[in-house]
Amino acid sequence: GAGVSQSPSNKVTEKGKDVELRCDPISGHTALYWYRQSLGQGLEFLIYFQGNSAPDKSGLPSDRFSAERTGGSVSTLTIQRTQQEDSAVYLCASSFRPDEQYFGPGTRLTVT
Amino acid sequence: GDSVTQMEGPVTLSEEAFLTINCTYTATGYPSLFWYVQYPGEGLQLLLKATKADDKGSNKGFEATYRKETTSFHLEKGSVQVSDSAVYFCALGGTSYGKLTFGQGTILTVHP
Repeated sequence: GAGVSQSPSNKVTEKGKDVELRCDPISGHTALYWYRQSLGQGLEFLIYFQGNSAPDKSGLPSDRFSAERTGGSVSTLTIQRTQQEDSAVYLCASSFRPDEQYFGPGTRLTVT
Repeated sequence: GDSVTQMEGPVTLSEEAFLTINCTYTATGYPSLFWYVQYPGEGLQLLLKATKADDKGSNKGFEATYRKETTSFHLEKGSVQVSDSAVYFCALGGTSYGKLTFGQGTILTVHP
């Protein structure tokens, strides 16, 4: 079956612009996670969704970052007023059980 | 908080050599432990896991044993192949909902 998909695969934006990153999880997976992979910080957790609610947002680095999930499926990560330090690969994962997450290919964000 | 310390590398080996990548962790409670692999140009994939002390995870010739007494989960393979060249991440799942804490990753290059 289809895996986790993310779009766009690459995004180049100017500093100060807003960006939206999309994640389509595997059908039926109720849990969804966002992670960020950057040179300086490695791979770090951002936010966890169970259904449409986000009981753990502890990894969002600032209030410029927000995320939502609708219909228990698609999720959007929004970064407002992007900064150069936001440049990273943003990974989405979904799961039907906590010990088995399936990752998407990621969105590479470059802020110029 | 939870943390994972991983042998940084890069590691360069000849084909058929023995591989060890060290991983130690700090966590409260009884976390699950994972090794993820990222092949060139691909997304993160779960390689193996162990959910309790003394469990051994294995897959594709790779093994790792959950050692609570030494808080370690070292990855081993008896005979590596060129196709094993990738980045390997040790991770800890310290919550009931699967939030992952990752090590810094180890780049493995295997030469023919």
